[in-house]
Amino acid sequence: KAGVTQTPRYLIKTRGQQVTLSCSPISGHRSVSWYQQTPGQGLQFLFEYFSETQRNKGNFPGRFSGRQFSNSRSEMNVSTLELGDSALYLCASSLAGAVEQYFGPGTRLTVT
Amino acid sequence: GEDVEQSLFLSVREGDSSVINCTYTDSSSTYLYWYKQEPGAGLQLLTYIFSNMDMKQDQRLTVLLNKKDKHLSLRIADTQTGDSAIYFCAEKSQASGGSYIPTFGRGTSLIVHP
Repeated sequence: KAGVTQTPRYLIKTRGQQVTLSCSPISGHRSVSWYQQTPGQGLQFLFEYFSETQRNKGNFPGRFSGRQFSNSRSEMNVSTLELGDSALYLCASSLAGAVEQYFGPGTRLTVT
Repeated sequence: GEDVEQSLFLSVREGDSSVINCTYTDSSSTYLYWYKQEPGAGLQLLTYIFSNMDMKQDQRLTVLLNKKDKHLSLRIADTQTGDSAIYFCAEKSQASGGSYIPTFGRGTSLIVHP
């Protein structure tokens, strides 16, 4: 079974631009969560989607948004990029109600 | 907010046991996890323990949970150079919507030298 895939793997953007990251969960997994990983703040939860609905949201500004499609694929969008948004963005998927969560390799976003 | 604390570095000799420690503050934590992250990769789930357990063993890994002290440890027996990575402790507690929001520690860099 294929693992969680994230595209693109690397991205360079300029301040003020917006970016969309994509995550394809493991087949059959309906829950998708997004995390931001930075050296300064560590791993922080962004949001979780289940069956196309946002179920939980972390403490991030409204510039960070996401959505989930009917095939469980998810996208996250960051608008008006700031230098501090440079991070590794990780996506994780799980079966409904499962304890285990499986992570993708991440998208490394650099904002210049 | 809730917090998860880990020491930042641990250095061990190949063949020795490694013990990585973690403390957490949320008394309603339901699940506690250990993840491994190698350079350039995402997080790999190593093991987890339910909060009503005090020990779990899985091959070379042993997880100990002291719920009274809110202390979690991961012991890696016969540590190998391939175990060199960052290890994250995480806890999940139930959010108001019924699902679980995780909190991660900052990670412990394990360095295994020959």
